[in-house]
Amino acid sequence: EIVLTQSPATLSLSPGDRATLSCRASQSVSSYLAWYQQKPGQAPRLLIYDTSNRATGVPARFSGSGSGTDFTLTISSLEPEDFAVYYCQQRTFGQGTKVEIK
Amino acid sequence: QITLKESGPALVKPTQTLTLTCTFSGFSLSTRGVGVGWIRQPPGKALEWLALIYWDDDTRYSPSLKTRLTITKDTSKNQVVLTMTNMDPVDTATYYCAHRLSDTPMDYYFDYWGQGTLLTVSS
Repeated sequence: EIVLTQSPATLSLSPGDRATLSCRASQSVSSYLAWYQQKPGQAPRLLIYDTSNRATGVPARFSGSGSGTDFTLTISSLEPEDFAVYYCQQRTFGQGTKVEIK
Repeated sequence: QITLKESGPALVKPTQTLTLTCTFSGFSLSTRGVGVGWIRQPPGKALEWLALIYWDDDTRYSPSLKTRLTITKDTSKNQVVLTMTNMDPVDTATYYCAHRLSDTPMDYYFDYWGQGTLLTVSS
């Protein structure tokens, strides 16, 4: 089973900052990696699939990159609604990165 | 639009069998490429993918749970049912069903999710 390790566990940033979240796979997943956003009390929301494709309705400030075992989700300029937990997923999910207000 | 909703007991006892139902609308599970999956999330913890069923009855299971899980569908009722045997307190979680993203070779991307149902396993 592929293990996904996300870093950091928590990211403390201010609105307008750039956020960079990492996800490392225990073996190559090619480009088959997704990112989800989850807010408290809500179901996850698909943001990015196949490493870099934005899902329907996802703002352009969200972008994904990487290949093989190392992947990155970038939020170019944080909006107040972006403070949430982010998960990467291949089949298994990573343990999540919480983006909190500094 | 696509909607999904989970239903089932809020509480089960250890060793019992859990049955959860996902009722959906806005798509058909008889359409080629369509799939519905189950994902769970223990309180305060990460997501865990459980199972997936395709339009053609092909199924996928989490390797760590496959001996305990069965996923089935009733196309006429627009429902997917997940059963999990031998429940344990560690199975306490919010259980979500979700629509698989179509038009991709990847099995496990989910673009529409239900609201989730919280299940507690306790005697």
